[in-house]
Amino acid sequence: EAGVAQSPRYKIIEKRQSVAFWCNPISGHATLYWYQQILGQGPKLLIQFQNNGVVDDSQLPKDRFSAERLKGVDSTLKIQPAKLEDSAVYLCASSLAVGAYNEQFFGPGTRLTVL
Amino acid sequence: AQKVTQAQTEISVVEKEDVTLDCVYETRDTTYYLFWYKQPPSGELVFLIRRNSFDEQNEISGRYSWNFQKSTSSFNFTITASQVVDSAVYFCALKGERGANNLFFGTGTRLTVIP
Repeated sequence: EAGVAQSPRYKIIEKRQSVAFWCNPISGHATLYWYQQILGQGPKLLIQFQNNGVVDDSQLPKDRFSAERLKGVDSTLKIQPAKLEDSAVYLCASSLAVGAYNEQFFGPGTRLTVL
Repeated sequence: AQKVTQAQTEISVVEKEDVTLDCVYETRDTTYYLFWYKQPPSGELVFLIRRNSFDEQNEISGRYSWNFQKSTSSFNFTITASQVVDSAVYFCALKGERGANNLFFGTGTRLTVIP
């Protein structure tokens, strides 16, 4: 079974530029998550989708971050414009459904460096 | 509020030694789930174990064992006879039953096993 796919793996941009990340979850997984992991910290949830609807985006900085999952499968996360403090690894995860007992499977992440 | 504390930032052990990684959590939920994830240098978070709050039985899986104690709000992880391949960052995480079903991660413990 293929895991969660993410691209690109690495991205370097200058501040005020825009960037987009892509995630393809495990086939059949209805729930998709985007996490931000700053160096030396644990991952922090940015947004959670159930199919193509948003379940929780309370931690998403909506003035610069946006995410979509139009067809309920793959998803993109965009930052526009980027700030220095956005330098982090962006992890995508998926699970069969919403529910505390559902295991989340993580992708390899995209490491973003903002100069 | 949900909170996970991993007080040990970094641990180094010599191969074949046993090592225990500590995790202390806070939650107001009566039903909750605790997780351990491993993050090797490749960056992908690998699921190790899930426990629900009603199951305080300790669990052993090969060289790994987990000690869940509700009385002290702890969910500690022990690796017996450590190996170089165990070198990674280990995260403890908590998910409550109510509200957003997202994972709250600790800050992680970096384990280095020296050959």
